[in-house]
Amino acid sequence: DTGVSQDPRHKITKRGQNVTFRCDPISEHNRLYWYRQTLGQGPEFLTYFQNEAQLEKSRLLSDRFSAERPKGSFSTLEIQRTEQGDSAMYLCASSFGGEKLFFGSGTQLSVL
Amino acid sequence: AQKVTQAQTEISVVEKEDVTLDCVYETRDTTYYLFWYKQPPSGELVFLIRRNSFDEQNEISGRYSWNFQKSTSSFNFTITASQVVDSAVYFCALRGTGFGNEKLTFGTGTRLTIIP
Repeated sequence: DTGVSQDPRHKITKRGQNVTFRCDPISEHNRLYWYRQTLGQGPEFLTYFQNEAQLEKSRLLSDRFSAERPKGSFSTLEIQRTEQGDSAMYLCASSFGGEKLFFGSGTQLSVL
Repeated sequence: AQKVTQAQTEISVVEKEDVTLDCVYETRDTTYYLFWYKQPPSGELVFLIRRNSFDEQNEISGRYSWNFQKSTSSFNFTITASQVVDSAVYFCALRGTGFGNEKLTFGTGTRLTIIP
């Protein structure tokens, strides 16, 4: 059990650029979640996969955001045409059965 | 809609003191789960406990204990004999039960500082 891995740890980009983050869940976990956390706030749910199927998306997830989980393994979260308001920590979590979520250390995005 | 309120933004206590972190929640679900997570400076959220709404027994795990009171919609967390390693941000969270209810609603967190 190597834990949930996220890459990169930090990303600085200019407004209008596209960015992609990767999450590798714990290998036997069938569920994968993306959350976003801004300074001084708790994590906010973005989306969730069960195996390769994306089953729920938050209204926070505008059409500039897209997430995939091909083959039910790793997941990517892409943000197109980034805006300064997208600056946040993007957290990935995984679980087996949804009872206990294991979180990664997150990707800190700064949009200049 | 679900809501979790952690009214204490920051708490500082001297090492070895006991400290209680408050959590009040709102939900229309008849059954639900409550959680506590710890977020140390490294940023990774660490699971502490999950409590089902039909189980109102208090729980103790080492220096940690949790008091669930359905009548007041509260799920408070107490650390006994605090240590410097307990310094972190603590989040209370809520989730409905049943298939498809996967979204965790978090409170805004309480930053706990243990002074040596």
